[in-house]
Amino acid sequence: DIQMTQSPSSLSASVGDRVTITCRASQSVSSYLNWYQQKPGKAPKLLIYAASSLQSGVPSRFSGSGSDTDFTLTISSLQPEDFATYYCQQSHIKRTFGQGTKVEIK
Amino acid sequence: EEQLVESGGGLIQPGGSLRLSCAASGFIVSTNYMSWVRQAPGKGLEWVSIIYSGGSTYYADSLKGRFTISRDNSKNTLYLQINSLRAEDTAVYYCARTVVMTGIYDAFDIWGQGTMVTVSS
Repeated sequence: DIQMTQSPSSLSASVGDRVTITCRASQSVSSYLNWYQQKPGKAPKLLIYAASSLQSGVPSRFSGSGSDTDFTLTISSLQPEDFATYYCQQSHIKRTFGQGTKVEIK
Repeated sequence: EEQLVESGGGLIQPGGSLRLSCAASGFIVSTNYMSWVRQAPGKGLEWVSIIYSGGSTYYADSLKGRFTISRDNSKNTLYLQINSLRAEDTAVYYCARTVVMTGIYDAFDIWGQGTMVTVSS
């Protein structure tokens, strides 16, 4: 299986901060990379697909970039409802998730 | 409204078997890719299996052999059969529609609420 590694595993930030989360694949996944947000006790929510395409209904402060093995999720101005855990996921060969990045209030 | 509702979880002894169900409404299971994803308590997401619209099935390498994904088109329902259950299978099991975006990229766009499976004696 392709391994996905996210960094950092957790971070503390304040409302209004710019937040960047990185995801690295163990081999090239081209642009077959998605990002999800999960809040406690809830199912994940799709934010970004195909590395940089914003899912319908997702605020424009979320953006994704990258290709091949290195990807980034950026939240341009962190809002109170954005405190959650974020996961990357590849769909190039089978499917694999990263271990998650927890975004906490500073 | 497009919706998925899982059922079938519960407390089961090690070595037992279980079949999880995922009933879909608002869309047709058989014309979509459908997946199972699990999450152990306090842990991250783990992809389990996918079934394509054509019927092909794939599993995570670490789980191959004990898990079987299937669907019943007449009931518009997805299933996951799990045999020889182990303590490490304890998790919330989610089903998810795996929609194809822009022709080639797919993602999990609709998720159920999850069903908890606890393996313990």
